[in-house]
Amino acid sequence: NAGVTQTPKFQVLKTGQSMTLQCAQDMNHNSMYWYQQDPGMGLRLIYYSASEGTTDKGEVPNGYNVSRLNKREFSLRLESAAPSQTSVYFCASSEPWTGAGGYTFGSGTRLTVV
Amino acid sequence: AQKITQTQPGMFVQEKEAVTLDCTYDTSDPSYGLFWYKQPSSGEMIFLIYQGSYDQQNATEGRYSLNFQKARKSANLVISASQLGDSAMYFCAMRDNQAGTALIFGKGTTLSVSS
Repeated sequence: NAGVTQTPKFQVLKTGQSMTLQCAQDMNHNSMYWYQQDPGMGLRLIYYSASEGTTDKGEVPNGYNVSRLNKREFSLRLESAAPSQTSVYFCASSEPWTGAGGYTFGSGTRLTVV
Repeated sequence: AQKITQTQPGMFVQEKEAVTLDCTYDTSDPSYGLFWYKQPSSGEMIFLIYQGSYDQQNATEGRYSLNFQKARKSANLVISASQLGDSAMYFCAMRDNQAGTALIFGKGTTLSVSS
């Protein structure tokens, strides 16, 4: 099925460990995004990539790095996990200037840092 | 900076009744898009409805309609004939033209539908 695939779906890390969240889309979209959702809250933009080869900071980039590996893949890396990074992480993709229904979200990665 | 405000943390409605979820936005861009998403307890983001800033008519999608009042900068979601399956978190979002067309989200409203 066409869409955005995130791996892993669940992860438990110890404080200070590192990990990479993977995201791949097969819709040939140019733009990709990483969002963080804390319990009971809205989604906040961590990083975005408007096109292959470019990445930019969003609202809450501290503690994260990203790589736009190619047009399909956009990864999010936590270098030294902290309990404050316990959250659900969503990857999304879209075409620029898209209208109705143009954004596609992955199913999320639920991360717990202990 | 662009901003989305949802002031209702929780709303309660009975089955078959209509409910309005409030959303106000702030932007200086003349061209923008407004979205509503539903997030059930399973966690996925489900697109409901879209309104472009230049659209003359309010958007409708089945039981969902968007009450777009441009001068007041509001984009309220109206759900007619509520169903138990409508119980979920609802997010208003706006396309942020300053951030590569990323969506910026409000904090959401939890809707509970009772029988």
